[in-house]
Amino acid sequence: DIVMTQTPLSSPVTLGQPASISCRSSESLVHSDGGTYLSWFQQRPGQPPRLLIYQVSNRFSGVPGRFSGSGAGTEFTLSISRVELEDVGVYYCMETSQFPYAFGQGTKLEIK
Amino acid sequence: TLRESGPALVRPTQTLTLTCTFSGFSLTADGMYVGWIRQPPGKALEWLARIDWDGDKHYSTSLRTRLTISKDTSKNQVVLTMTNMDPVDTATYYCARTSTINWSFDFWGQGTLVTVSS
Repeated sequence: DIVMTQTPLSSPVTLGQPASISCRSSESLVHSDGGTYLSWFQQRPGQPPRLLIYQVSNRFSGVPGRFSGSGAGTEFTLSISRVELEDVGVYYCMETSQFPYAFGQGTKLEIK
Repeated sequence: TLRESGPALVRPTQTLTLTCTFSGFSLTADGMYVGWIRQPPGKALEWLARIDWDGDKHYSTSLRTRLTISKDTSKNQVVLTMTNMDPVDTATYYCARTSTINWSFDFWGQGTLVTVSS
């Protein structure tokens, strides 16, 4: 089974400053069809997860432009260009390239 | 939209049955899928199972012997059963949709908290 490892597990950031979260997979997420199925989710307290990024770098409908995704193979990054108060929460990466699907452990984004 | 329903409290060794009722899409349509994910209090998300538009089923390796996923397309429902419940199975259980548009979980239910206790 693929294991997804996120770093850091906690990220204190200053409002208006950039932030980034890394996600590493134990195997390449390149599917036999050529696609790479890595997603990022945001979970605010008391809420279900919300899809931010799919297939490494595609922003889902309604997601602000300050969120971006990058990476390839086994190394991926979620970046926030300027952190806002509403971005506080836990962020998860997830692979859907291979069964069983796997989530990362989550990274808690908090304001300094 | 998707909505989970089921018991809030289950006794150890009992079988849990959860229902996901959805609208706005059809699970008979090519390229539609519904999955289940759970989250113990204060912990990370864990993928459990997925059922496909064509009836294919996929399960978590560690829970495969305890899980069964099924669908009733006439009712727009997906059902997940988990046998031999244990207190460590206490969690919020979510259902979510996947489609070939993005191959991710794009729409989620609000989740239902299931507590396993005697």
